[in-house]
Amino acid sequence: SQQGEEDPQALSIQEGENATMNCSYKTSINNLQWYRQNSGRGLVHLILIRSNEREKHSGRLRVTLDTSKKSSSLLITASRAADTASYFCAIEGNMLTFGGGTRLMVKP
Amino acid sequence: DAGVIQSPRHEVTEMGQEVTLRCKPISGHDYLFWYRQTMMRGLELLIYFNNNVPIDDSGMPEDRFSAKMPNASFSTLKIQPSEPRDSAVYFCASNINTGELFFGEGSRLTVL
Repeated sequence: SQQGEEDPQALSIQEGENATMNCSYKTSINNLQWYRQNSGRGLVHLILIRSNEREKHSGRLRVTLDTSKKSSSLLITASRAADTASYFCAIEGNMLTFGGGTRLMVKP
Repeated sequence: DAGVIQSPRHEVTEMGQEVTLRCKPISGHDYLFWYRQTMMRGLELLIYFNNNVPIDDSGMPEDRFSAKMPNASFSTLKIQPSEPRDSAVYFCASNINTGELFFGEGSRLTVL
């Protein structure tokens, strides 16, 4: 299966700290995406990184991709209470498959 | 654009009843996906359409589940008969094959 596995499953930090979430997968990919889901809401796309890219930035988000290790990480810098949500990696092969997610809690 | 619109947002029904979930994708999007989310199994792809044609329904759990897309602006996911283990949040998503998926807010189904 190409499904990603996120680590950790849950993360609790203080506002202002950085949050790092990791995603590992098993097979070759075309692209890898990260999504955010607030409680009771739909998923929202955050960032897409292509298989030939190693790093990508969007605002306070930084995504890395290491295809040799079949892993990706999402870094949220200077976290805010509003960043509290679940974060999912999605592996893009023949179709898009999602990992189990990391539940992030940012305490004010 | 209003985004992907799903209805109903919440549905509570009794075992054995028929359930119909509805989705209106973003105008111009030619791919439509149905996902199911549970605590135990996470987010599972049930079926997806391209230009109203079902392409892959291998994720549909049983014959009790069926999905249709009669036109580019409407899709349904039907469960008949429903069972308690079908309780989940069902998401519809659409895109234009650029990778990024646009999700609706989901339909939370509870089968008693």
